[in-house]
Amino acid sequence: NAGVTQTPKFQVLKTGQSMTLQCAQDMNHEYMSWYRQDPGMGLRLIHYSVGAGITDQGEVPNGYNVSRSTTEDFPLRLLSAAPSQTSVYFCASSSDLNTEAFFGQGTRLTVV
Amino acid sequence: AQKITQTQPGMFVQEKEAVTLDCTYDTSDPSYGLFWYKQPSSGEMIFLIYQGSYDQQNATEGRYSLNFQKARKSANLVISASQLGDSAMYFCAMREGYNTNAGKSTFGDGTTLTVKP
Repeated sequence: NAGVTQTPKFQVLKTGQSMTLQCAQDMNHEYMSWYRQDPGMGLRLIHYSVGAGITDQGEVPNGYNVSRSTTEDFPLRLLSAAPSQTSVYFCASSSDLNTEAFFGQGTRLTVV
Repeated sequence: AQKITQTQPGMFVQEKEAVTLDCTYDTSDPSYGLFWYKQPSSGEMIFLIYQGSYDQQNATEGRYSLNFQKARKSANLVISASQLGDSAMYFCAMREGYNTNAGKSTFGDGTTLTVKP
């Protein structure tokens, strides 16, 4: 059982480049989220989704886009990378309010 | 205002002793859930324990227990009989309201726990 799969694990981008971080889950969870974790800090919510076709902004959405065309996939797009987006990105999924989030392994992104 | 506050940036504990990691939260919603996650140096997020706002008893999972004091809005994690493998960053997190918020967790800044042999 794969759980939540994120790709890539590491990425270096130049300022201004765009890219998509992939996230897929095989647990049929309705709820999916993207977080970023900066050094020495907790996770901050970027965008989240309550089901296919429905997304909403979290705490730090600027510079990122998401879409949810299927239950399984929730990609995160960086439109024009900036050094401030250097961070570790986590995708997570959950089945309801009272159960834990399942996290992907994380993507370490460096923007130079 | 910070919704989740973890006031201990770093903690040390001797192997085999118990340790308490503090977490206070702020919400006006009567329905919420509190979670603790462990993040070892390898970086993955590992779920440890959950407490619901309506749960009458404190949650326990093996060596982990949650000291839930609703009136004080605190949800401290207690690790008994610490092991070297418990050295990691620990995060307290909260979800509020209804199922539509199941994807919206708020995290504290974490506590780094170091277990000494």
